This record gives sequence, structure tokens and C-alpha cells, in this order.
Amino acid sequence: QVQLLESGPGLVRPSETLSLTCSVFGGSISTFYWTWIRQPPGKGLEWIGYNYHSGTTMYNPSLKSRLSISVDMSKNQFSLRLSSVTAADTAVYYCARENSGYFDLWGRGTLVTVSS
Amino acid sequence: SYVMTQPPSVSVAPGKTARISCGGNNIGSKTVHWYQQKPGQAPMLVIFYDTDRPSGIPERFSGSNSGNTATLTISRVEAGDEADYYCQIWDNPTDHRVFGGGTRLTVL
Repeated sequence: QVQLLESGPGLVRPSETLSLTCSVFGGSISTFYWTWIRQPPGKGLEWIGYNYHSGTTMYNPSLKSRLSISVDMSKNQFSLRLSSVTAADTAVYYCARENSGYFDLWGRGTLVTVSS
Repeated sequence: SYVMTQPPSVSVAPGKTARISCGGNNIGSKTVHWYQQKPGQAPMLVIFYDTDRPSGIPERFSGSNSGNTATLTISRVEAGDEADYYCQIWDNPTDHRVFGGGTRLTVL
């Protein structure tokens, strides 16, 4: 079955750029909406945004000015870049597959801490 | 942007019925999905399109949506149902996805 796996640094310095990659195993990335969701420690879920067919993107307006989500079909991966991070960006970051409005497949999540 | 309100916590005895609400302005006109998240785990879809269950989700889990409230109902609650539950919608006008604040279900 299809599985998602996040990878990337667990520690990012303030003002730098957070970069994560999600690898898609067992299925093609050429369909569905490929999404990032985050969860600060002890808090709720926050939708970050998606990339669809390596062209169409939609971002959470609160993050839009710092955010980029891209898809690499040759590697069956999609990526998140969030610039100018602060401690408020510390969270568990999940990659997920959106299927017609709901998230039916999730990665295990990766904790990213913003600290000097 | 669209806001959905969930109670922070719900408590229920084993074998009883738990109802978790998700309030929003005319939420009945939107399609609501529900996720279960156990400690240290990723969320898992338990209800989609207001009332549908993914394969593998017990029939004890059901959903409804009308007016200003969507509800996740868990019948014959078991200790293993203890988790955080989140509602989620696709906000059509903005094309944004929105989560409720989450509800912690405690099994007494």
C-alpha cells in the first residue's frame, strides 16, 4: 500500500529556512493533492498547504509569504520550504495525501525545532 | 477564514455513547471529515463526507451534520477510543482546508 515518509533536519536556526521532503512509496505522485500539516507541541492541527500536479498550489494565508511547496515527479517526492522561521514554527510536520477534500494517508510526522 | 469550534474535552464511561461536536456557521452546508489522533501517532481518518467510514473503522463510529453543528458519535465506547478528535472541512469559497481545535476524549 502507499506510504509516506518525511525527512529533513530536526533543528533549524531562527531566521533560516526549514526544508522537508516527503517520499511517496508504493504509488504515483501524479494524482491527488500533496499536503503539509503541522502540529505545535501540545496544540492542534494546522493546514499548511498543498501542491497538485506540480503546478497548482494553495497555501495557508498566515504562512503564504514564507512558504513554498513543490513536487518532484521524477523522485516521487514533494517538499516544503518555510523561510524566516521563528520559535513559533516549532512543530511536528506531517505530509499527507488529500483525496477529494479529506486526508486519507499521513506520514508519521517529523519534529522540527527552531532554536539557536 | 472559516472557524470551527470543538469542546476541549469530553468524558464518557466505557460502554456508553460519546458525542463530539464541531460548530460552525451553517456548517451543514459543508462537508465535514473527522480524524482520531492517539498520543505520539499521526492522525487517522475515521469519518469522511459527514457520514462515511473508511474501511477498517468500526461501525461504532458515525457522523452527522446539520445546521450549525456537525457531530461525531462513538457508540459503546472502549478504552482504546481514548484520543484527540479533530473535525476538518474544505472551505469552498477560499479553497482552504480548516481544522477544528480538537477534542480530547477521556474514557473514565
